[in-house]
Amino acid sequence: SQKIEQNSEALNIQEGKTATLTCNYTNYSPAYLQWYRQDPGRGPVFLLLIRENEKEKRKERLKVTFDTTLKQSLFHITASQPADSATYLCALNAGGTSYGKLTFGQGTILTVHP
Amino acid sequence: DAGVTQSPTHLIKTRGQHVTLRCSPISGHKSVSWYQQVLGQGPQFIFQYYEKEERGRGNFPDRFSARQFPNYSSELNVNALLLGDSALYLCASRATGGKSYNEQFFGPGTRLTVL
Repeated sequence: SQKIEQNSEALNIQEGKTATLTCNYTNYSPAYLQWYRQDPGRGPVFLLLIRENEKEKRKERLKVTFDTTLKQSLFHITASQPADSATYLCALNAGGTSYGKLTFGQGTILTVHP
Repeated sequence: DAGVTQSPTHLIKTRGQHVTLRCSPISGHKSVSWYQQVLGQGPQFIFQYYEKEERGRGNFPDRFSARQFPNYSSELNVNALLLGDSALYLCASRATGGKSYNEQFFGPGTRLTVL
């Protein structure tokens, strides 16, 4: 069966450091992969999307890599700030008629300490 | 522009009851998806609707049903509630054309508690 694993349940880092979150998947051929941020009691907020034929995507302090051979995505937040503390979710989509269906990992809780 | 809106915000029901949750997508979005998020887990896909037709269904029992209206708003219905249905129910809308058509925009969710 399809499985998505975000390797850390929780990650604690110091302000100013780079946070690196990992997403691995099995039995899946995603057309694209997305990263979302979720604050307690709120809905997920879209951050970045990367397609199967792309290796890397950047947006301000965020960077995503996608390795379809390793079946892995890495999500980096550089120069992290306490305001970056949240749960980060990885989500896959097979594309085609299932554009509206995302399969999520369980999330990684990031805490950035001042 | 208003984002995705959901009502009610919170709901408390007892086992065996029925519940209806409502969602209004972003103006111009014709696709709506529903997700269930249990505490400590990622959201799990329930339904996708596009142009008022069901376009996908997750691994949920027939107690769960949904529909989409001509104005693209949507309702999620759950019958014969079980304790395990307690969760945050999220609605997401998606543009079906343009640059950001793969991005899903989530509402704040409805927190359902079944006692």
